[in-house]
Amino acid sequence: QSVLTQPPSASGTPGRRVTISCSRTSSNIENNAVNWFQQLPRTAPKLLIYNDNQRPSGVPDRFSGSKSGTSASLAISGLQPEDEGDYYCAAWDDSLNGWVFGGGTRLTVL
Amino acid sequence: EVQLVESGGGLVQPGGSLRLSCAASGFTFSLYGMSWVRQAPGRGLEWVSYINSSESTIFYADSVKGRFTISRDNAKDSLYLQMNSLTADDTAVYYCARDTAVDLDYWGQGTLVTVSS
Repeated sequence: QSVLTQPPSASGTPGRRVTISCSRTSSNIENNAVNWFQQLPRTAPKLLIYNDNQRPSGVPDRFSGSKSGTSASLAISGLQPEDEGDYYCAAWDDSLNGWVFGGGTRLTVL
Repeated sequence: EVQLVESGGGLVQPGGSLRLSCAASGFTFSLYGMSWVRQAPGRGLEWVSYINSSESTIFYADSVKGRFTISRDNAKDSLYLQMNSLTADDTAVYYCARDTAVDLDYWGQGTLVTVSS
């Protein structure tokens, strides 16, 4: 069981806003930033959000990240069919000395 | 443009060994840490191992400790993963990723390792 818990699925219609949560269940990542990765079908993961809420160059501002207390969230506004895929949160675990990933959330655009 | 290209995957019998490679280009490889991350078929992402730029710091996931060895050759801009005593649970696509210590900002396309008799 991952120390980062995500809902297994999320959905929304084109143009709407959807949020995906990532809850921390271990103090070992308490002070560490959360990253979000997008994995479209049959492709490698891609960094979407780093340092809780920063977007790498080239990532549309429709994607935003936030963190409060023991939870982080990824918000996608103006949902598009090409956003359909899997989304993972991750953080460095100071006790395991390694990256831990959430179980992933499959986003369906209805 | 940053590029990471994995190779070396394939079919191997249980108990066998395999060495994965990751060729890096488009950035100064010797300045960055690197990680291996794997994804079993139909499953989520699992971090496997980390190596810093000078090879002085290396970490492994408990699931591979004692069986896998990460290394790098900065002169060849290459990252490696030596995998021994493989089991069916090691079947996965293996990705190399540039590790900035804050994030995993670039990933390769992955190489598939299948452990089966």
